[in-house]
Amino acid sequence: NAGVTQTPKFRVLKTGQSMTLLCAQDMNHEYMYWYRQDPGMGLRLIHYSVGEGTTAKGEVPDGYNVSRLKKQNFLLGLESAAPSQTSVYFCASRPPGGNEQFFGPGTRLTVL
Amino acid sequence: AQSVTQPDIHITVSEGASLELRCNYSYGATPYLFWYVQSPGQGLQLLLKYFSGDTLVQGIKGFEAEFKRSQSSFNLRKPSVHWSDAAEYFCAVGSKAAGNKLTFGGGTRVLVKP
Repeated sequence: NAGVTQTPKFRVLKTGQSMTLLCAQDMNHEYMYWYRQDPGMGLRLIHYSVGEGTTAKGEVPDGYNVSRLKKQNFLLGLESAAPSQTSVYFCASRPPGGNEQFFGPGTRLTVL
Repeated sequence: AQSVTQPDIHITVSEGASLELRCNYSYGATPYLFWYVQSPGQGLQLLLKYFSGDTLVQGIKGFEAEFKRSQSSFNLRKPSVHWSDAAEYFCAVGSKAAGNKLTFGGGTRVLVKP
């Protein structure tokens, strides 16, 4: 099992560019989450999904969109990147009935 | 709404000394509580978790934490720190009522002196 994987690991964008971050899990988990990590603020929930075809907003959803077309994949999109979106992005998944979230290795995004 | 406070942003400890990291949470019902560790450039690894039952929880790498409902705290401890414990530590709270979504504290960075 690879667990939770994220691609890419690093990315540099210019303001206004778009990109998609991919999260994949091979544990057949129903729930998936996208967080951003900023110094001194811990991790904050951007969007989450409770199953294939469903998504919901978290604490800081503005400027991001997500899609969960397949159970194993959860995509995070930035349509028009801004410097305020410079951050480390973590994906996590959780099985139904479980309470522990399993995290991916993160994607470091810099927006110039 | 649930919230988590980690009062110490940085802690420096000598190798072999004991370590205690503080975590205070705010939530009306019984929460699920977690401690995660993040080594530099790495993702988050679960150290331990509390859902119910015994309030003293043992985790990996020799860590333990104690849930104190009266103080709304879930402090993390280790009796003797190793250089490899240098990392950032995050406390998190979740609950069934909140859909098991996690709220994280701001983190405590631990430096270990030789």
